[in-house]
Amino acid sequence: GENVEQHPSTLSVQEGDSAVIKCTYSDSASNYFPWYKQELGKGPQLIIDIRSNVGEKKDQRIAVTLNKTAKHFSLHITETQPEDSAVYFCAARAAGYSTLTFGKGTMLLVSP
Amino acid sequence: GEEVAQTPKHLVRGEGQKAKLYCAPIKGHSYVFWYQQVLKNEFKFLISFQNENVFDETGMPKERFSAKCLPNSPCSLEIQATKLEDSAVYFCASSPGQGAGGYTFGSGTRLTVV
Repeated sequence: GENVEQHPSTLSVQEGDSAVIKCTYSDSASNYFPWYKQELGKGPQLIIDIRSNVGEKKDQRIAVTLNKTAKHFSLHITETQPEDSAVYFCAARAAGYSTLTFGKGTMLLVSP
Repeated sequence: GEEVAQTPKHLVRGEGQKAKLYCAPIKGHSYVFWYQQVLKNEFKFLISFQNENVFDETGMPKERFSAKCLPNSPCSLEIQATKLEDSAVYFCASSPGQGAGGYTFGSGTRLTVV
């Protein structure tokens, strides 16, 4: 089955800096890669996703890049703000399959 | 509605007692997923449904866990004879269809077994 590795497990940045979280996946059949933000005591919220037919997608301060050959995808957050502090999860799903496999999460701490 | 509704928010059970959790998916979403999140944040997949049919149950500890999604009723996840290691947050999520995009998660049920 699919295996998703996520790094780093914790990331501390100063407000205004950029943050990058990286994931790798094992199943070359995976074609959908969402990112979720989970705040304390809440359920994960989808913040951005990318499909395997594109290499990059942006939405305001967040962007996701995908390297299918290397089976890597990354989340980039620019101009970080304290409210970006949360746990971020990457996930992957194979074509024709409904179950998402999640990485183990990255705790992002943005200091004012 | 446009949110996945999970009840109760918190549940405390003595070891050996039964626990039952409920999930109302977003109307029109045909897939429902249950995940267990333990202290280290890791999500463990339990089971998924396509409408009322089990779609994937590869993550279910079958000896004590069971789940149902019946028509016109919230989905449920039941744990018989709870153990201390069942303490976790249980999340339900729904999606419109296979390959249709990301899940929408509920806010979870925190189960504490004492």
